[in-house]
Amino acid sequence: KAGVTQTPRYLIKTRGQQVTLSCSPISGHRSVSWYQQTPGQGLQFLFEYFSETQRNKGNFPGRFSGRQFSNSRSEMNVSTLELGDSALYLCASSPGRISLNTEAFFGQGTRLTVV
Amino acid sequence: GNSVTQMEGPVTLSEEAFLTINCTYTATGYPSLFWYVQYPGEGLQLLLKATKADDKGSNKGFEATYRKETTSFHLEKGSVQVSDSAVYFCALCSNDYKLSFGAGTTVTVRA
Repeated sequence: KAGVTQTPRYLIKTRGQQVTLSCSPISGHRSVSWYQQTPGQGLQFLFEYFSETQRNKGNFPGRFSGRQFSNSRSEMNVSTLELGDSALYLCASSPGRISLNTEAFFGQGTRLTVV
Repeated sequence: GNSVTQMEGPVTLSEEAFLTINCTYTATGYPSLFWYVQYPGEGLQLLLKATKADDKGSNKGFEATYRKETTSFHLEKGSVQVSDSAVYFCALCSNDYKLSFGAGTTVTVRA
């Protein structure tokens, strides 16, 4: 069974540009969550998608957005990039919404560097 | 809100030494607790979990017991190997459909 696939693995962008990251969940999983990992802030929740609807959002500015397609694949977009957006972006896939008994499986992440 | 506090390290050990990483939490309700491991250049892998008080999660020689009375979920391994070198994250999930993570503990095991 294939795991969670995130593309691309690495990205370098310039301040002010926008970027789109992609996540393909494990087959049959309907929930995708995104997390930002930085040395200073650690792992922070960005948002969660389930059945093509954003169900939950973390404390990030509106420059961060996402969507989920009918095949459960998800994309996240960051517009007007800032240096502080440099991070490892991790996608987590789960059969249903992450809950007390529902396990999350993570991809390898996309390393975004903003210069 | 929910939060996780874990020993930040870094922790450096010799092979076959005993490892313990402390983790305490604050949560509404009765959360599930997790330990994730991140190897260099990789994403997160679930190491073990516990879903109710007094549960013991175990995997690959690692163990952690859900202690409701002390709101703790300390990770232990009796004899570490060089291959255990990684960053370890304690996390919880309560009734908010997301994981809340600790800051992570970097563990280096020397041969």
